Formats: sequence, structure tokens, C-alpha cells
Amino acid sequence: GAGVSQTPSNKVTEKGKYVELRCDPISGHTALYWYRQSLGQGPEFLIYFQGTGAADDSGLPNDRFFAVRPEGSVSTLKIQRTERGDSAVYLCASSLSRSDIYNEQFFGPGTRLTVL
Amino acid sequence: DQQVKQNSPSLSVQEGRISILNCDYTNSMFDYFLWYKKYPAEGPTFLISISSIKDKNEDGRFTVFLNKSAKHLSLHIVPSQPGDSAVYFCAAGRWDKIIFGKGTRLHILP
Repeated sequence: GAGVSQTPSNKVTEKGKYVELRCDPISGHTALYWYRQSLGQGPEFLIYFQGTGAADDSGLPNDRFFAVRPEGSVSTLKIQRTERGDSAVYLCASSLSRSDIYNEQFFGPGTRLTVL
Repeated sequence: DQQVKQNSPSLSVQEGRISILNCDYTNSMFDYFLWYKKYPAEGPTFLISISSIKDKNEDGRFTVFLNKSAKHLSLHIVPSQPGDSAVYFCAAGRWDKIIFGKGTRLHILP
């Protein structure tokens, strides 16, 4: 079956521009997560959706970052006024539900964002 | 302040021998712990997990040990195979929030 897909795989943009990163979770997965992985670091939690609503957005670094999941499936991470420090791999993951204590999250391949 | 620490950035192990990857954590409230494996240009893939109420979980060549008093867990891979060469992330979770370590790059030598 299809796994989590993310588009684009690579995005190069200039400082100050706006970018959108898309995530298609595994069909039927109600939980969706965004992470950011900087060089030499592990994935860092950004935001978690349960269905259409953001259940936990405590990891978003500032108000330039926003994410939506309007129909409870595809999600878009939006970054306004990009800065060079936003350069990282943005990972999306999905899981069946929050009731699974082991919370096996299935990750997409990530979008590598480079801000020049 | 890192809640999940992997102090070895890399590890080299001879093929066929045991690989031991270590992880320390600071928050005693974590409910479960996981190991993820990552190849270049791919997302992390789930490997094995352990509940905080257990001290060992085994799945084929992979065994995870949890020492709650020491706030330490380890992943044992035996025997190590060339395809095990990857970055391994230790992670700890409470509810749906998972916190990852920085990862350890494992090299399996022929």
C-alpha cells in the first residue's frame, strides 16, 4: 500500500519568500505530525493533528509557521517570510490513532527546504 | 535541554558481531520508548518499541532493554548485517508526543 508522501522533495527559496509543503498521509490514518530535522539533529516535533484540528502546536517555533489539515487527510505546512535558519528537512508522519500507546508513526521521505 | 540523549554520534561494528546502541533520557514520565532507523533520503522507519512497564522487548535480531532506575535504554542487534548500516534514532513518548535523540550512525564493516 501507499506510504506517506511529501511534495516537493526539494524546495529552494530566497529569504523572505513564502513556502508551502504538502503531506499526504496513509489512507485512514487520523493522526498526522510534522517534524523538522536540522543537520546533525533528530526530528523535532512541530505540530500534531487529530483529524482536522491541531491537537498540539507547541513545537511551532514562531508565528511564521502555520499548518492546516482542512479535510482531515492532506496537510500543508506554511512558512511565511522564510529565514536562512528555516533550512532543514521537514518530515511528515501519520499514525492510526492516539489510542495506540506505541504510537507507531509512519514517516514520509521529507521535504528538504533550502533558504538562500 | 535535551530530554533524549544519544551520546555516540557513530559506531562501527564487524559484520556478524553484536551492535549495541545506547540512549539516556531525563524525564521519568515517558510512557514508551522507540527506536527508529533511517537511511539517507528516506524518512525514519519504526524498528522496535518498549513500554515503560517492561524491561525487555525482543523482535528477531533486535532487542531493546530498558533500565528505568538509570533512565537508560539500549538496542542490541545480533548478528549485525550490512543492511543494518543506517542512522538509529532513540525516541521517548508520552501520549502522542515523541521526542527524538540526535541519532547514532551505525557502520557495519565487512
